[in-house]
Amino acid sequence: EAGVTQSPTHLIKTRGQQVTLRCSPISGHTSVYWYQQALGLGLQFLLWYDEGEERNRGNFPPRFSGRQFPNYSSELNVNALELEDSALYLCASSLADSHSGANVLTFGAGSRLTVL
Amino acid sequence: AQKVTQAQTEISVVEKEDVTLDCVYETRDTTYYLFWYKQPPSGELVFLIRRNSFDEQNEISGRYSWNFQKSTSSFNFTITASQVVDSAVYFCALSERMDTDKLIFGTGTRLQVFP
Repeated sequence: EAGVTQSPTHLIKTRGQQVTLRCSPISGHTSVYWYQQALGLGLQFLLWYDEGEERNRGNFPPRFSGRQFPNYSSELNVNALELEDSALYLCASSLADSHSGANVLTFGAGSRLTVL
Repeated sequence: AQKVTQAQTEISVVEKEDVTLDCVYETRDTTYYLFWYKQPPSGELVFLIRRNSFDEQNEISGRYSWNFQKSTSSFNFTITASQVVDSAVYFCALSERMDTDKLIFGTGTRLQVFP
């Protein structure tokens, strides 16, 4: 069974540019999560999508956005890139069980974004 | 406010030593879940364990064991007879029923096991 796949694995952008990161969840998983792992800041929750809807959002500005497609894959968009957006962006998926908080997340290997 | 603290930034041991990774959490929710994930150099986080707030039984899985103590808000992880393949960054995380599906991670502990 294929795991969570993310693309691209690495990319370099300059300040002010826009970037789109992609994620394909494990087959059968309907929930997709995005986390940012910046140096020195640990893993920060960005977004949670389930059944095509944004269900929860972390403390990030509106220039971080995303969507989930009917096949449950997801995109994370970051506009007006800033130097501090340099980070590893991790996508995870799970079976939805939104009333428990107990979901076990399966993570992808991430997309490493460098902003110059 | 919810918070997870992993005070040990980096630990170095020699193979076959036992090592304990500490995790202290804060939450106002009475129902919550605690997790440990391993992040090898390849980058993806690998799930190790999940415990709910009502189950304080310690758990052992091979060389891994976990000690959950609500009285001290701790969920420590011990690796017995460490191996080089255990070298990774280990994250403790918390999720609350009040804010479902949002994992709060600690800052991680980098474990280096030398041969």
